[in-house]
This record gives sequence, C-alpha cells and structure tokens, in this order.
Amino acid sequence: LAKTTQPISMDSYEGQEVNITCSHNNIATNDYITWYQQFPSQGPRFIIQGYKTKVTNEVASLFIPADRKSSTLSLPRVSLSDTAVYYCLVGDEGSARQLTFGSGTQLTVLP
Amino acid sequence: NAGVTQTPKFQVLKTGQSMTLQCAQDMNHNSMYWYRQDPGMGLRLIYYSASEGTTDKGEVPNGYNVSRLNKREFSLRLESAAPSQTSVYFCASRSQAGREKLFFGSGTQLSVL
Repeated sequence: LAKTTQPISMDSYEGQEVNITCSHNNIATNDYITWYQQFPSQGPRFIIQGYKTKVTNEVASLFIPADRKSSTLSLPRVSLSDTAVYYCLVGDEGSARQLTFGSGTQLTVLP
Repeated sequence: NAGVTQTPKFQVLKTGQSMTLQCAQDMNHNSMYWYRQDPGMGLRLIYYSASEGTTDKGEVPNGYNVSRLNKREFSLRLESAAPSQTSVYFCASRSQAGREKLFFGSGTQLSVL
C-alpha cells in the first residue's frame, strides 16, 4: 500500500486559495489518488479523485505531476465552513483492497 | 436515501463487557469497512469485507471480530471491551467496481470505563 505524507495542520484566511500537498513516493501504476474531508463528529466525505494531470469539480481541483509521487488539493476562496481535516488516500480503486487513511491535514480558516 | 446507517450512536461499556456495533448500507455495495478514530488521530482500518461471505484483517484487528451477515450488513463485535477500545467507530462501504468512492456512516462513539 502506498504510504502518504501530509502536513499536520495549515491555517488560512477567508477568501484565500489553499493548497494541501500529499506525498506518495511509492504509488503503484494502478493507484488512484482520492481526497476526503472530515468535519468534527462526522464521517469523512469524498471531495475529489484523480489519476494524473488535473481534475476539477465544483468543490476543488486536484493537481498531479507526471511522476505521480505527490498531489495537491486546491480549495479556491475558502470560507469558515471549510475548516476540517483533509485526507489524502492512495489505492487501487478498481479492487476491494483495504484502503488506509493517513493522519490528515487540519485546515483552519480564520476570519 | 439512508446510505450507511450505524447503530448505536453512543455507547458506554464497562471493562469486560461485550457488544456488537451494527452497520447497514442500502446502496448495493460489495465492499464494507470498519475504521476506528481516536481523538486527534486519523482513521485506522480494523476489518474489511471485499464481498459477501469474506472478511479480512486491517491494521488494528486485535480485540475485534466481524460478521458480514449479508450484502447489506457488516457488524463489529467487541468480545471483552477494554479502555483502549474507547474510540469513534466508522463503518464505510463502496462498490467494488471501478473508481468508486467510500461512503461513511455517522459513527458510533464508544467509551469503555
């Protein structure tokens, strides 16, 4: 299983763009990169997923360089409600193999 | 649309007591997972079930047993609860096919005194 490394915490201000980087040096060819968001007292929820290059949805963008050894979750114009823990997950989504979460990044958005 | 339902939401046990955490999903998913989350920590996988009739150990299986009762239900049992098992427990499911995301329940807060 590919191990992931993320910053423990980040602070930002409302309206700013936030970039959270995840390192996954031993990512396998079939592995996808998925990000989840978790609010206190709730289960994580899916944000975005990608394999290579750039993926964008209504919530975030995901940038993946050609070597795929890292990925960056980009949250545009954050608000106070984006304060949460963000997890980077790397795994073979095509199988039912066990999926392992890292420690995540606590993002705190300040007014 | 219920998604993943966990019961109970809160539970207090005494050391040595047993209990079963229930999880059910209505999305016809093949794979189901049990995680625990300790305060300020990430999620650690306890057990998972790739499909009905199969279960496998995750990172921290000691002290737990699971049963995949049918495609919908995946239960987690603590035979003899210990204070170290005080945690929030999350059940999740996903379809086996393709690049499917995990869907989580709302969690069970368990305290073992």
